[in-house]
Amino acid sequence: KNEVEQSPQNLTAQEGEFITINCSYSVGISALHWLQQHPGGGIVSLFMLSSGKKKHGRLIATINIQEKHSSLHITASHPRDSAVYICAVRAETSGSRLTFGEGTQLTVNP
Amino acid sequence: DARVTQTPRHKVTEMGQEVTMRCQPILGHNTVFWYRQTMMQGLELLAYFRNRAPLDDSGMPKDRFSAEMPDATLATLKIQPSEPRDSAVYFCASGLVRFLGRPSTEAFFGQGTRLTVV
Repeated sequence: KNEVEQSPQNLTAQEGEFITINCSYSVGISALHWLQQHPGGGIVSLFMLSSGKKKHGRLIATINIQEKHSSLHITASHPRDSAVYICAVRAETSGSRLTFGEGTQLTVNP
Repeated sequence: DARVTQTPRHKVTEMGQEVTMRCQPILGHNTVFWYRQTMMQGLELLAYFRNRAPLDDSGMPKDRFSAEMPDATLATLKIQPSEPRDSAVYFCASGLVRFLGRPSTEAFFGQGTRLTVV
């Protein structure tokens, strides 16, 4: 079992739909990151969370430390949101090392 | 506009050749990471530095890989000799850690170097 598991692996949506991507982890963490990797390969850090909820534009990230679970939500999805979304955790015992989930491929159709 | 800069963006080389990848972290960041991304393994950490000192390079094959930070504005990842299985995208990321090892900023990624070893 991977330390970080994401679901779903692939997600296809219609423009305007509300999107949720889930991330579960099995270790105590000091922080959780949501990353976005575009088709061109570049990686952008969307959020870093250690508790609660963060919002940036149409993106919302939540984390439940007790349940070891985080979700990334996209409201009013758009084709330009099509990308791979990666969850990564910084374990309490691993210093600054990040452990990555396998990613969720999101495709938003017009 | 602060960003992590990696060079080259693409590199094709023959097996056995030396490859050097460079990274300029964001000014003021004290932590630099090297990651490798392949289809099979996904993203994996190779090494990271804090204040130019290597803190963890356990993810790096020691016999052929080496990572250094000659100064605060440059990190290098070298492969010698390169092998076809080293073909991957190599990402550098930087961040700022202020207190007890807890991250104070998100990790900022460079665009990556796509390495192909033939």
